[in-house]
Amino acid sequence: EAAVTQSPRSKVAVTGGKVTLSCHQTNNHDYMYWYRQDTGHGLRLIHYSYVADSTEKGDIPDGYKASRPSQENFSLILELASLSQTAVYFCASSDRGREQYFGPGTRLTVL
Amino acid sequence: AQSVTQPDARVTVSEGASLQLRCKYSYSGTPYLFWYVQYPRQGLQLLLKYYSGDPVVQGVNGFEAEFIKSNSSFHLRKASVHWSDSAVYFCAVSSSNTNKVVFGTGTRLQVLP
Repeated sequence: EAAVTQSPRSKVAVTGGKVTLSCHQTNNHDYMYWYRQDTGHGLRLIHYSYVADSTEKGDIPDGYKASRPSQENFSLILELASLSQTAVYFCASSDRGREQYFGPGTRLTVL
Repeated sequence: AQSVTQPDARVTVSEGASLQLRCKYSYSGTPYLFWYVQYPRQGLQLLLKYYSGDPVVQGVNGFEAEFIKSNSSFHLRKASVHWSDSAVYFCAVSSSNTNKVVFGTGTRLQVLP
């Protein structure tokens, strides 16, 4: 079965610190995505990638960087974490335009 | 530009009742349409999808949806809900020539026992 895993599952970070969220997929999908979800809200796209070593900006990229070192792995980097980045972050993978497979999420709290 | 509207932020029904969650989309080409479900503290899971063909698609756990092109709608239905169906439901649209999926804002379903 298709699988997307995320690590860590939860993290507490300090304001101004660096945070790296990792995502790994075994679906052999070209596309990978990072979303954030704020309490009681829908999903917002931060970055995505459709090929290794290349990333694209989503709808809310400010304050975030992404890295796709291989087809299987996709990281989200917060260089200077801020209070406003407290949220749940989801990674997903898919073929182009097709259904997305989501990871379990990473709950990030910035203090 | 693509967009998805889920007009009902919250829906409450009694167990055993029928259900319809509404979804309207805006897309100029041929859409791919999806419904996802999110249980508390979990990621989104695919309920059903429409790519082409029969406009009525069946999903998991007795859910179905109908693509009505003339109305730009893709409403989700279930004949008889169970308390375990309580969750947040997201409608989404994409296509074969787009890199991104557009999600609606979600409908929180509460099923009363």
